[in-house]
Amino acid sequence: KAGVTQTPRYLIKTRGQQVTLSCSPISGHRSVSWYQQTPGQGLQFLFEYFSETQRNKGNFPGRFSGRQFSNSRSEMNVSTLELGDSALYLCASSQGSFETDTQYFGPGTRLTVL
Amino acid sequence: QQPVQSPQAVILREGEDAVINCSSSKALYSVHWYRQKHGEAPVFLMILLKGGEQKGHEKISASFNEKKQQSSLYLTASQLSYSGTYFCGTDSGGSNYKLTFGKGTLLTVNP
Repeated sequence: KAGVTQTPRYLIKTRGQQVTLSCSPISGHRSVSWYQQTPGQGLQFLFEYFSETQRNKGNFPGRFSGRQFSNSRSEMNVSTLELGDSALYLCASSQGSFETDTQYFGPGTRLTVL
Repeated sequence: QQPVQSPQAVILREGEDAVINCSSSKALYSVHWYRQKHGEAPVFLMILLKGGEQKGHEKISASFNEKKQQSSLYLTASQLSYSGTYFCGTDSGGSNYKLTFGKGTLLTVNP
């Protein structure tokens, strides 16, 4: 099976812009979770989508949003970018709930905000 | 709250053993362990669930003490490929479950 894919792999934006990141899960996986990874804060949970519904959300401002499509592909949107949003954004997929199932991570999207 | 991992870093020679600990101040439903090599995505190692169920790789073992809210990852007969940063992620269950990760333990295995 193909692994989790994320596009684009690298992105450079300026403050105030918005960005959309895409994640294609492993075939058959219904759960997609998003994480932000930075050297200072480490790995932080953003949200989880399961069958097109957001099930859980981390402690991030409303500028961070996402959605999931009927084919389980997911997008994450960040509006009004700030310098602190520079990070590696990872998505992970699992068959069922990530709470009890193995998560498979994608390679990530490296976002740089100037 | 973020779980606390210890040690922060450890250096081993091939064949030596290591233990990485993860401690939480909250009651836990599950503990997840991942390894991440530099420039790569995290890779799943193990899930430990409240009640004793474990899912993971055969060559890696871990323990979950629910009463103490602690988990330990045991790496035996280390290999060069074990090098990387190990993260534990904890989940307290409930309707808004989420994984909260520790800062990581950097493991270096030298020949």
